[in-house]
This record gives sequence, structure tokens and C-alpha cells, in this order.
Amino acid sequence: EVQLVESGGGLVKPGGSLRLSCAASGYSLGGYWMHWVRQAPGKGLLWVARITSDGSRTWYADSVNGRFTISRDNARNTVYLQMNSLRAEDTAVYFCVRVQAQRGRSFDLWGQGTVVTVSS
Amino acid sequence: DIQMTQSPSSLSASVGDRVTITCRASQTIPTLGINLNWYQQKPGKAPNLLIYGTSNLESGVPSRFSGSESESDFTLTIDNLQPEDFATYYCQQTYTTPFTFGPGTKVDIK
Repeated sequence: EVQLVESGGGLVKPGGSLRLSCAASGYSLGGYWMHWVRQAPGKGLLWVARITSDGSRTWYADSVNGRFTISRDNARNTVYLQMNSLRAEDTAVYFCVRVQAQRGRSFDLWGQGTVVTVSS
Repeated sequence: DIQMTQSPSSLSASVGDRVTITCRASQTIPTLGINLNWYQQKPGKAPNLLIYGTSNLESGVPSRFSGSESESDFTLTIDNLQPEDFATYYCQQTYTTPFTFGPGTKVDIK
């Protein structure tokens, strides 16, 4: 089965760090650009970060730029999101997403999400 | 940044109804439609791609879902609403980063 599985979420204090992982199965992640999207409790979807298929370029939302780092290990079929200097407003479900470049850059495969809670 | 708006923010409908949701971008970009996508999200679940490039149905999505564009307004239409269609719907532009989503339209049971 083709799927993405996130892990690494949890409860962390403000100013702390977490590293999220997203493991792909059923297909080779290396051929795709990948993204992270988050959703705060009861809120809408917010794009967080993007990485090219070879990991050479990255982009970030202004709200996380300088604090979060997206990376990938294609040999391990895994994408990561390193989150530093966490704030209460980073509390959300974080989704790992695959992009179909040939289909409107649509987000065609989503993980189930991992919950990050930033609280003292 | 391109801001996306949706209307209505919520609606109540009955099984069998036709539902229309509208999405508009804050900037007029002639080719935005190539990168205008629609998602369905049910509570506690990840979003699911319905339509990409304004009007292209994602594989496996029922044909009662359709998308269109008219004068810079993008529309998602659900014909013959089914019980499993009660959910929140989001439009999204992937023309340029940040890839912004609309605020969502919640469709619930009348």
C-alpha cells in the first residue's frame, strides 16, 4: 500500500525542539517534491515547508522560517521536519504530503498526521 | 502572498441536493487555474484530494464532484449530495509559495 506515516510528535515546552519524520512506503519517495502542512486545533490548513526531490532547495512559510528545517534521506525513503524554538502557536497536527508536479502541483498523498503540542 | 477566500464558510444541505462552493484568489493571475486544487477533509482525518487544475477529477473520486472557473471565481460543485460528502472543503493555490489554502467550507446535514 502506498502511504506516508509521520512520527515524532509530542508535548514540548516553549523554546524546545522536536524532529518529525515521515516515512514513505509502497513507492520511492525520491522522485517527488515533498511538503509539510499543519492544522492548528479547530483551524484550517497552513502550508509549512517544501523540499525538492534531491533535497537541494527548500522553502518555508514566514511563520517558521529560521526555526524549522525540512530535509530528506531518499535512501531511507524519509522526510524530516526539524522544529526549533517552538512556540505555543506551533501547536498543530503536522501532515507530510507528496506533490504531483504534473497535476497542478496538487497534494495527492497525505500522511495521517502527528500531533505537536507546545505548552509549559 | 496570494490569499484565498471561500464562500460560504458553512452551509446546511440535504442528501440529494446540489452544493456549490466558491473560491477566489486575492490576485488575478490568468494561469492560476492550472494550480487550483480542491480537498475534502473529514473530522480527525487528513485532507483528500478531489480536484486538481480547476476541473480535473482525481482518480477514485466520484463523478458527482466537479470543478470550474468563471471570471476568476473557482467553483466546486457536488451533485446529488451523499451522506459521506458531509465534510469540510478547502481550495488551494499552488501557483507560488506560500501555497495557500482557503479557510474552508463546512458542509453539514440540514
